Amino acid sequence: DGGITQSPKYLFRKEGQNVTLSCEQNLNHDAMYWYRQDPGQGLRLIYYSQIVNDFQKGDIAEGYSVSREKKESFPLTVTSAQKNPTAFYLCASSIGGRDYNEQFFGPGTRLTVL
Amino acid sequence: QQQVKQSPQSLIVQKGGISIINCAYENTAFDYFPWYQQFPGKGPALLIAIRPDVSEKKEGRFTISFNKSAKQFSLHIMDSQPGDSATYFCAASKGAGGTSYGKLTFGQGTILTVHP
Repeated sequence: DGGITQSPKYLFRKEGQNVTLSCEQNLNHDAMYWYRQDPGQGLRLIYYSQIVNDFQKGDIAEGYSVSREKKESFPLTVTSAQKNPTAFYLCASSIGGRDYNEQFFGPGTRLTVL
Repeated sequence: QQQVKQSPQSLIVQKGGISIINCAYENTAFDYFPWYQQFPGKGPALLIAIRPDVSEKKEGRFTISFNKSAKQFSLHIMDSQPGDSATYFCAASKGAGGTSYGKLTFGQGTILTVHP
């Protein structure tokens, strides 16, 4: 089955710790994205990558880092510099070309800071 | 200029009724307008999308109406069903070219409840 997988589904972090959220896709999509979702708010873009070994900051990149070493994978690290990391994190991908716009989402990771 | 404003925040409809959710945008460079449906604890799923070369697109019970001059677009759900109860997000993105290509700007979401 083709799709986007995110792991873990739930993640608990102590203050001061870095954590890495996994996102993998087998859709052969060029572009991948990370969003943050808070209750009652829309999705806000953290980072995105249009091609391997290249990525750009989104609207709320502070306190986060990413890498794109493989086409299939786009891990997100939430660093200790992120002051309010508790949220629902969503990864998405899109095929590229004119269809860069059509983004497909993974099931999400819920991060809670203890 | 990057904002997409969505209303209402919540909507309650009786089974069989019409649900209408509205979005307004400011950036005239936007040329792709999708709607996403999200169930609790799940990722959003693309429901229907429109480009500004048409004023309406229909897929089953779901219709997008697009008004380019007013910079508004809306989602209509005909014959609403309890299974349609979810959060709906509108979004918009710019066309080809530049590093912002493909970036979606989302509305704040509408929680739809359809009573049986």
